[in-house]
Amino acid sequence: LAKTTQPISMDSYEGQEVNITCSHNNIATNDYITWYQQFPSQGPRFIIQGYKTKVTNEVASLFIPADRKSSTLSLPRVSLSDTAVYYCLVGLRRGGDDKIIFGKGTRLHILP
Amino acid sequence: EPEVTQTPSHQVTQMGQEVILRCVPISNHLYFYWYRQILGQKVEFLVSFYNNEISEKSEIFDDQFSVERPDGSNFTLKIRSTKLEDSAMYFCASSGTGINEKLFFGSGTQLSVL
Repeated sequence: LAKTTQPISMDSYEGQEVNITCSHNNIATNDYITWYQQFPSQGPRFIIQGYKTKVTNEVASLFIPADRKSSTLSLPRVSLSDTAVYYCLVGLRRGGDDKIIFGKGTRLHILP
Repeated sequence: EPEVTQTPSHQVTQMGQEVILRCVPISNHLYFYWYRQILGQKVEFLVSFYNNEISEKSEIFDDQFSVERPDGSNFTLKIRSTKLEDSAMYFCASSGTGINEKLFFGSGTQLSVL
């Protein structure tokens, strides 16, 4: 499983765009990159997943450079409710062979 | 959106007692997981379960832990003899049949061992 490195914490202000970068230098060819969000006392919630280039959904965008050794989660125009821990996961889940490991995540604190 | 349901939301027990945490995964999912999170710490993988058997487990998941899918809908985690350090939030998760399908997590059971 590829090890990931993220900033421990970040602060931003309401209405700003927030970019959280994750390093995964030993990502394998078949590995996907997945981001989850966790609010206090709740289970993690899937945000976005990608393999290469750019993926966008209604919540976020995910930018993955050509070498795939890092990825950036972009949250447009954040609000106070985006205060949460964001986890970057790298790996390939195969049927009957999965051990999906969460790192320490990035604690994002949105200020008014 | 479909949900993973966990019961109870809170469980208080005495050290040395057995506890069973219950989960109802999403109905057409085939992969099931237990994670735990000690207050203020990261989400820790315990075990994954597929085709009625454990597929992966962590070093945390020792002989005191067991999992079961007794009736095709419930997925349980049993801790035989609880220790103080088992106090944590326990999350159940499930996912579908495809490669890289996302995990759906329940809202957790807060276990307090006294």
